[in-house]
Amino acid sequence: GESVGLHLPTLSVQEGDNSIINCAYSNSASDYFIWYKQESGKGPQFIIDIRSNMDKRQGQRVTVLLNKTVKHLSLQIAATQPGDSAVYFCAETLGGSNYKLTFGKGTLLTVNP
Amino acid sequence: DTEVTQTPKHLVMGMTNKKSLKCEQHMGHRAMYWYKQKAKKPPELMFVYSYEKLSINESVPSRFSPECPNSSLLNLHLHALQPEDSALYLCASSQARTGELFFGEGSRLTVL
Repeated sequence: GESVGLHLPTLSVQEGDNSIINCAYSNSASDYFIWYKQESGKGPQFIIDIRSNMDKRQGQRVTVLLNKTVKHLSLQIAATQPGDSAVYFCAETLGGSNYKLTFGKGTLLTVNP
Repeated sequence: DTEVTQTPKHLVMGMTNKKSLKCEQHMGHRAMYWYKQKAKKPPELMFVYSYEKLSINESVPSRFSPECPNSSLLNLHLHALQPEDSALYLCASSQARTGELFFGEGSRLTVL
């Protein structure tokens, strides 16, 4: 079946470095993508989203890039901080609806001081 | 107030018990969700309520019974669960079909 996956299950970076978390999706019909952050013992927290009619969107210290040609999504975190340590999930859905979000496998980001 | 509140935070139950998980939001959201998350896995959708009506049931076994008493509350009734049902159960809400999903911190369920 269609699924969302991640290339790297773990990523370790130094504080102050930039982080890039990647996600491959296989459903070419997906038109809305979201990145979530989940800290230990907490629920997922929305970071940033992007619709399929865009290829880049920026937030505060975060940028999401969408490459529909190769069905690839990435999350860039600038000047990574220890508080960024968490599991990051990409999620996709159809029709711009939240109702059936499909989450990817997740990447554990560890920021070393 | 941008919180989704879930109770209890932890629940241990036997296979013959009946228990309920509760979720509350006061953001005026009209869509509410139940997700199940096993350790080191992504959340998996179980149910979606839209305007207090069950909109999506992802083929969840009948030992899980959702209920939406009003637009602010969402319950998940549990009966005759199996040890493999042990997981973190996450509630979420959103404005409607679109917009950010706000998640609660989850109820960690252990079935003995």
